[in-house]
Amino acid sequence: AQTVTQSQPEMSVQEAETVTLSCTYDTSESDYYLFWYKQPPSRQMILVIRQEAYKQQNATENRFSVNFQKAAKSFSLKISDSQLGDAAMYFCACDNAGNMLTFGGGTRLMVKP
Amino acid sequence: GAVVSQHPSRVICKSGTSVKIECRSLDFQATTMFWYRQFPKQSLMLMATSNEGSKATYEQGVEKDKFLINHASLTLSTLTVTSAHPEDSSFYICSARDRGDLNTGELFFGEGSRLTVL
Repeated sequence: AQTVTQSQPEMSVQEAETVTLSCTYDTSESDYYLFWYKQPPSRQMILVIRQEAYKQQNATENRFSVNFQKAAKSFSLKISDSQLGDAAMYFCACDNAGNMLTFGGGTRLMVKP
Repeated sequence: GAVVSQHPSRVICKSGTSVKIECRSLDFQATTMFWYRQFPKQSLMLMATSNEGSKATYEQGVEKDKFLINHASLTLSTLTVTSAHPEDSSFYICSARDRGDLNTGELFFGEGSRLTVL
């Protein structure tokens, strides 16, 4: 079984500043993927960023980047230059190579103007 | 990216009736689809894995006779909540993986369906 833990139920950031959301996971698989999904008030799940476990280089997508620490099983998301539209629930997830996606409990991000 | 469509987005029904929710992959074929349930302010909980042409695999604690899943084609999976009761009220989300892209790991999500049972 795999578990994903997000220790921050809520986070707040000032517009234009940087915020980091934490995530730790546990899996017995050697081949897996890690994701951050965003769920805005519309409830549509939107993929923010993904990381293949076999890749050492941290994934980056524009203002979003991750700090992937494989040995520590840590996968944090950094949002730079935060925008009002970034306000949403963020879910960290682990996928053991096609079998099953396990979500963390979520972190509600609030962006202050 | 790939598109997954869910219908209906909202449904209100009387207690004791059955409700069907459809999940369609619009521009790709999905051998496997997943059904999640999400309670307010909580995470997504996997209910079952829907496999095209075979029986669904249910997670522990999910009643298979209550939540009927059919995956009759590579682009359509349905979830039927039978004899619905107020405690079945929830947000149901489906997701699918592109059959031709199994190694990327990415799941595409539907818009979700909010079920309210009166």
